[in-house]
Amino acid sequence: EPEVTQTPSHQVTQMGQEVILRCVPISNHLYFYWYRQILGQKVEFLVSFYNNEISEKSEIFDDQFSVERPDGSNFTLKIRSTKLEDSAMYFCASSEVKGRNEQFFGPGTRLTVL
Amino acid sequence: SQQGEEDPQALSIQEGENATMNCSYKTSINNLQWYRQNSGRGLVHLILIRSNEREKHSGRLRVTLDTSKKSSSLLITASRAADTASYFCAAPENTGGFKTIFGAGTRLFVKA
Repeated sequence: EPEVTQTPSHQVTQMGQEVILRCVPISNHLYFYWYRQILGQKVEFLVSFYNNEISEKSEIFDDQFSVERPDGSNFTLKIRSTKLEDSAMYFCASSEVKGRNEQFFGPGTRLTVL
Repeated sequence: SQQGEEDPQALSIQEGENATMNCSYKTSINNLQWYRQNSGRGLVHLILIRSNEREKHSGRLRVTLDTSKKSSSLLITASRAADTASYFCAAPENTGGFKTIFGAGTRLFVKA
C-alpha cells in the first residue's frame, strides 16, 4: 500500500539554525500539506500546497517557514531560523483530490531545538 | 465545540474489555479518519469512513458514523496492553477545504 514517508525521523538543531524537513508524498497525489504537533497538544494545520504554490496557510506559518517541491517526488518544509518553540512533531500529508480531502499522513519528524 | 472533539479525554480499562471512543464534529464532512499515536511517536492511520458509510470494520476496530448527529465512534474490541495510546479523530474543516482538523484525542490505557 502506498504511503507518505518522511526523513529524518528525528532532527536536533541549535536555536537560530535552518532546518529542512523532507517528505515523499504518495506518487499520484497532487495536494501536499504540513502539520505540526507540539508535545501534548493537538495536531495543527500549517500549510497546503498545490500546483507549485501555497493554497492555504495558517497563522503559524510565518515568514520563517517556506515549502518547496524541488523535484517530482519530494516536498520540503524549511524553517529559516529555528526557535525553541518550533520544537514539535511535523507531519507531512498528501491527497489525490482536494474536494474529497482524504489526506494521508506520514509518520512525522520530531524536531528538537536546543 | 471545534471540528473533531473526542470524548472521553482519558479511558482506563482492563485487557480484554472493549474500549469506545466518541468524536463529534461541526460542519458537513465527506470523510472522517481515526488515528493512533503512541506517546511521542508518529500518527498511525487506523481507518477512514466516508460520509455515505455508516459502519466500517478493520480487525478489532469498528467505526461508526452518524452524519445526522455529526458524530463518530471507534470501538476497539478485546483490548490489549499494546492498544495503549492516544486516539484521534480527524475531519476536513469543510467539504471543499484543504485543512484536516484533529481533535485533542482520547488517551487510552489498557491494564494488563
